[in-house]
Amino acid sequence: GAGVSQSPSNKVTEKGKDVELRCDPISGHTALYWYRQSLGQGLEFLIYFQGNSAPDKSGLPSDRFSAERTGGSVSTLTIQRTQQEDSAVYLCASSPRQGSPLHFGNGTRLTVT
Amino acid sequence: KQEVTQIPAALSVPEGENLVLNCSFTDSAIYNLQWFRQDPGKGLTSLLLIQSSQREQTSGRLNASLDKSSGRSTLYIAASQPGDSATYLCAVPTPGSSNTGKLIFGQGTTLQVKP
Repeated sequence: GAGVSQSPSNKVTEKGKDVELRCDPISGHTALYWYRQSLGQGLEFLIYFQGNSAPDKSGLPSDRFSAERTGGSVSTLTIQRTQQEDSAVYLCASSPRQGSPLHFGNGTRLTVT
Repeated sequence: KQEVTQIPAALSVPEGENLVLNCSFTDSAIYNLQWFRQDPGKGLTSLLLIQSSQREQTSGRLNASLDKSSGRSTLYIAASQPGDSATYLCAVPTPGSSNTGKLIFGQGTTLQVKP
């Protein structure tokens, strides 16, 4: 596709369950970012990938959060033992190089009940 | 610590009006500044990116200006249309980071353009 694709678009899970969120960036974009958008906190940076490496994980809120990227393309954000405060929209973005605009996907809306 | 503030939080105007959205930032050592648009239930669309060495950027009816020394940027929308209704966000890279995609966002201005 032409843009950043995220799946699922919506996810409802029970507290304590693990969830996986997927991001398929624009082909050829080496930089990939995960952000979280919540009502109280606005948009927050989570993690940055350059190729398959994650040189900046400083925004991950706890060790329950992890992410990986394979083949320099698809990325998966995993949240273990979900809590209600994890409820938010998780946005993925990609960019061809430093200094270029970010291209965002439509996000995954996560609801933890 | 960089803080980005957008005023007003919400704005409602009649169709056809010219309008200005404001963004301020506390640390003037920015690499660039971006303006985004977000429609309900959607991701962000990049509208304009201004490099630190530039004063303004234009795209169609949109014009963004940057004054680094005063820590301000404005987004000017000419001849507003109902389709311009959305939330507009400004963002700057985290100071001191070589990662220009590690952005700090303002809280956004929600614009409603009434027919």
